[in-house]
Amino acid sequence: DAGITQSPRHKVTETGTPVTLRCHQTENHRYMYWYRQDPGHGLRLIHYSYGVKDTDKGEVSDGYSVSRSKTEDFLLTLESATSSQTSVYFCAISESPAKNIQYFGAGTRLSVL
Amino acid sequence: DAKTTQPNSMESNEEEPVHLPCNHSTISGTDYIHWYRQLPSQGPEYVIHGLTSNVNNRMASLAIAEDRKSSTLILHRATLRDAAVYYCIQGLTDKLIFGTGTRLQVFP
Repeated sequence: DAGITQSPRHKVTETGTPVTLRCHQTENHRYMYWYRQDPGHGLRLIHYSYGVKDTDKGEVSDGYSVSRSKTEDFLLTLESATSSQTSVYFCAISESPAKNIQYFGAGTRLSVL
Repeated sequence: DAKTTQPNSMESNEEEPVHLPCNHSTISGTDYIHWYRQLPSQGPEYVIHGLTSNVNNRMASLAIAEDRKSSTLILHRATLRDAAVYYCIQGLTDKLIFGTGTRLQVFP
């Protein structure tokens, strides 16, 4: 299995509080991604990174920010959590688009009350 | 929006072959066809990908139509562990768009 660790695995928080989810990899892969998964929607891309300090928006980026200060860590921040951000969040990594394979973490289940 | 069309669900018996269809009529010449699967309570897992030719690996085979507008993922002998949601995705690796996939049930 690819060395991807997501933390925390579960979190319950209140509306309006900031939340940061962490994705840590030991594969030295250049590309990292954050997805959310909701019933009836499959996985949707939030943000992705193609290198340290290089990030771009995905299809559902509103309300989320990301940072990548080191190759191995990709952080997803909800500045002020809302109930609509209750979801399961997955991190993924890939060596390069040419390799055509993304490896996924186990996910973080976030509940915003 | 997902660009591929898959049946919502399929069923199979254990040790039988399974053919999971996917339509991708809007595929462009540079789009790959990717298949991932997601077991219950886990993250998605890469299965196979291809561009024009049929592909085989230890998990499955991918049969791509000559016009590339459809493909079929073939599990040669289904096991209970193959029960999962299977996603067919067209595009480049850095822009995977997941639909809702096909839920495969495998019966003993």
